[in-house]
Amino acid sequence: EIVMTQSPATLSVSPGERATLSCRASESVTSELAWYQQKPGQAPRLLIYGASTGATGIPARFSGSGSGTEFTLTISSLQSEDFAVYYCQQYNNWPRTFGQGTKVEIK
Amino acid sequence: EVQLLESGGGSVQPGGSQRLSCAASGFTFSSYGMSWVRQAPGKGLEWVSTITSSGSSTYYADSVKGRFTISRDNSQNTLYLHMNSLRAEDTAVYYCAKSGPLYFEYWGQGTLVTVSS
Repeated sequence: EIVMTQSPATLSVSPGERATLSCRASESVTSELAWYQQKPGQAPRLLIYGASTGATGIPARFSGSGSGTEFTLTISSLQSEDFAVYYCQQYNNWPRTFGQGTKVEIK
Repeated sequence: EVQLLESGGGSVQPGGSQRLSCAASGFTFSSYGMSWVRQAPGKGLEWVSTITSSGSSTYYADSVKGRFTISRDNSQNTLYLHMNSLRAEDTAVYYCAKSGPLYFEYWGQGTLVTVSS
């Protein structure tokens, strides 16, 4: 099973600042990586797939990069609605696996 | 607009069974793989199972293999998860997701299953 490790567990950021979230895979997943956002009491929402392709309707301030085992989600200028938990997920192999999540909180 | 509506959650005793349903609309259901993903209270996301568009192939997490069965009825645009031999650690919100069977493109709002005596 491919283990996905996200860092940091919690990220404190001021509105308008840049946020950088990391995701590491225990073995290469090529570019088969997705990012999701989950707000309290809501279902997750797909942000990024293919490591860097924005999903439908996702604001341009969200961007993804990386390949192989190291990936990054960047939120260029945090808005109030962006404070949430973010998960990465690999779909290169079965079982599909998620990272443990990074909580982005208001500083 | 893609809509996924789960139902069938509730309280069940350990060792019991439950069947979850997911009614899909807003897309050609029979053309897409579908999945179940769960989230234990206060915890992260865990993939449970995926079924291909035709239903010919299914995939399961080791934690549910042999106890859960995913199925679909393309004539009714409905996805199912049959859960047997339920354990306390199966307590979670279960989400239905339109997948591919790759990533999870759209999610339902989830249904809570509580396994407790």
